[in-house]
Amino acid sequence: QVHLVESGGGVVQPGRSLRLSCAASGFIFSNYGMHWVRQPPGKGLEWVAVMWYDGSTEYYVDSVKGRFTISRDNSKNTLYLQMNSLRAEDTAVYYCARDWDKGQSGYFNYWGQGALVAVSS
Amino acid sequence: DIQMTQSPSSLSASVGDRVTITCRASQDISGWIGWFQQKPEKAPKSLMYATSRLESGVPSRFSGSGSGTHFTLTISSLQPEDFATYYCQQYSTYPVTFGGGTKVEI
Repeated sequence: QVHLVESGGGVVQPGRSLRLSCAASGFIFSNYGMHWVRQPPGKGLEWVAVMWYDGSTEYYVDSVKGRFTISRDNSKNTLYLQMNSLRAEDTAVYYCARDWDKGQSGYFNYWGQGALVAVSS
Repeated sequence: DIQMTQSPSSLSASVGDRVTITCRASQDISGWIGWFQQKPEKAPKSLMYATSRLESGVPSRFSGSGSGTHFTLTISSLQPEDFATYYCQQYSTYPVTFGGGTKVEI
């Protein structure tokens, strides 16, 4: 079955960088778009970024544009989120999620278990 | 960006009750709405897509309806395992956006 496992979370100081990874299994990774969605402690869900199945297209929420970069390695079945210039408001659990289709859908039908990123001095 | 306004933000209900959660979009989303269930300390679970299509394994007591900008999620007979927070999401256009959530409590 579909399995998504995030890693790379932790505590980081404001202004520093962190890279999250999401290892995928149980499906043909290169056939699906992939997303990052985050959830600040005690708050609701916020979509962060998407990358098309072939890496050709990516979109971001305005609050992370220019700071975060989504990427993927289809040979390793892995999705990444490079987070630079981190701010306190980036503190959240970050989930990777599989698109229903190649990326154009925007609906996610599988989620990872999440990785906590805490930005604090 | 399309805003999703979800109501109520919380509700109290009993086992066996019929529960309805509403989501309003700031513009027509052509039925491209999904619903998610989240239990404490767990990842969200996808329940429904395209307004009313249930994900595999989701009980038939869950149903969805609506069109244009007004959508609802209904639980016909609330079960103990249904106490959770529910989110709507529009995926008509990027950035996809979520409602603020509805916490269903005992």
